[in-house]
Amino acid sequence: AQRVTQPEKLLSVFKGAPVELKCNYSYSGSPELFWYVQYSRQRLQLLLRHISRESIKGFTADLNKGETSFHLKKPFAQEEDSAMYYCALKGVSGGYQKVTFGIGTKLQVIP
Amino acid sequence: DVKVTQSSRYLVKRTGEKVFLECVQDMDHENMFWYRQDPGLGLRLIYFSYDVKMKEKGDIPEGYSVSREKKERFSLILESASTNQTSMYLCASRLSGDNEQFFGPGTRLTVL
Repeated sequence: AQRVTQPEKLLSVFKGAPVELKCNYSYSGSPELFWYVQYSRQRLQLLLRHISRESIKGFTADLNKGETSFHLKKPFAQEEDSAMYYCALKGVSGGYQKVTFGIGTKLQVIP
Repeated sequence: DVKVTQSSRYLVKRTGEKVFLECVQDMDHENMFWYRQDPGLGLRLIYFSYDVKMKEKGDIPEGYSVSREKKERFSLILESASTNQTSMYLCASRLSGDNEQFFGPGTRLTVL
């Protein structure tokens, strides 16, 4: 079974402070990990994926297979980063590719 | 630009009613998904489809069914709506072999 754990439902940081949104996963194979974001009144959208090793809107995430983690980081939080963030894992289950989402972390950036 | 549309943004139904939620995508994606989104529970997969007329149960299929008669359209059906099905419903599509899922705006369903 594949599982994604986001331990924090709410994370509040001050503008300019570093941000780290935690994500841990459980999967027996080689996982593909993603971060999705949902801004207020907007649809859920892909933020970044681990295979691209990219930085989007200043956010980065590194897959740590030893710790089974894929934490999302940004050195200096901006007010426009306030949103709901979901970590997701794509694996194979029952012969099909399946994406499992975490429960989400609401990031609140305080001005 | 991929566009995934859902037939209603808000819907209010009574217990026992049959409810249809429609989702249409315009990018010829093979894969389509229905999720429900609840605070503290995240996104949970209800049903998915990898091709026309094909459907597979997700993690929480009980009380739901789906229909995929055409490639661009994936319908979620609540045969007899209950109050515990009050939720935000999200549709998504994905090109087969790709990673990114494209989501619709969501339908907020309230069952009274």
